[in-house]
Amino acid sequence: DVKVTQSSRYLVKRTGEKVFLECVQDMDHENMFWYRQDPGLGLRLIYFSYDVKMKEKGDIPEGYSVSREKKERFSLILESASTNQTSMYLCASSFLIYEQYFGPGTRLTVT
Amino acid sequence: DQQVKQNSPSLSVQEGRISILNCDYTNSMFDYFLWYKKYPAEGPTFLISISSIKDKNEDGRFTVFLNKSAKHLSLHIVPSQPGDSAVYFCAAPRGAGNMLTFGGGTRLMVKP
Repeated sequence: DVKVTQSSRYLVKRTGEKVFLECVQDMDHENMFWYRQDPGLGLRLIYFSYDVKMKEKGDIPEGYSVSREKKERFSLILESASTNQTSMYLCASSFLIYEQYFGPGTRLTVT
Repeated sequence: DQQVKQNSPSLSVQEGRISILNCDYTNSMFDYFLWYKKYPAEGPTFLISISSIKDKNEDGRFTVFLNKSAKHLSLHIVPSQPGDSAVYFCAAPRGAGNMLTFGGGTRLMVKP
């Protein structure tokens, strides 16, 4: 079974803090993704990576950056957290095109 | 611009009856569609998919129908069970197929 794990299930941070969300997959997948989920808006793609050190902006990259130093690990960074970044963050990975496997999510609250 | 839309944010169905979840899309270049299911505090899991060369795909209690001329797809769950209560997302690949565009989701509640 594919396993995608995320470093925290719940996180509370203050406005202006730097926030790191980590994601690890154990299936040697090339592609990794970061989404945020907000009610009524579905899942919106923040960034994705198709190889180590490679990254592409998704639909809502503003205020975020990413890092992929190793194939199995993909980090999302909020340089200066703001209250409008309060959300559920989901990491996913895929080998073939189309089907993605998701982690359990991190509920981030920025106060 | 949301290219994949789920216009019903919620749906309530009695156990044993049929659940029908709808999804509309605007991009006629989409040629493959997926449905994901998400329980609270868990990540989405893949449920069923359909290629545009088909108009129906069935897997147990789950059937997806595709109407290309109407740019519409639907997920049928028969019979519905309380364990089916979850949020359902439809999605379509874009770009080289690596990226997915998701609809806003429909929360299904199956009452015992």
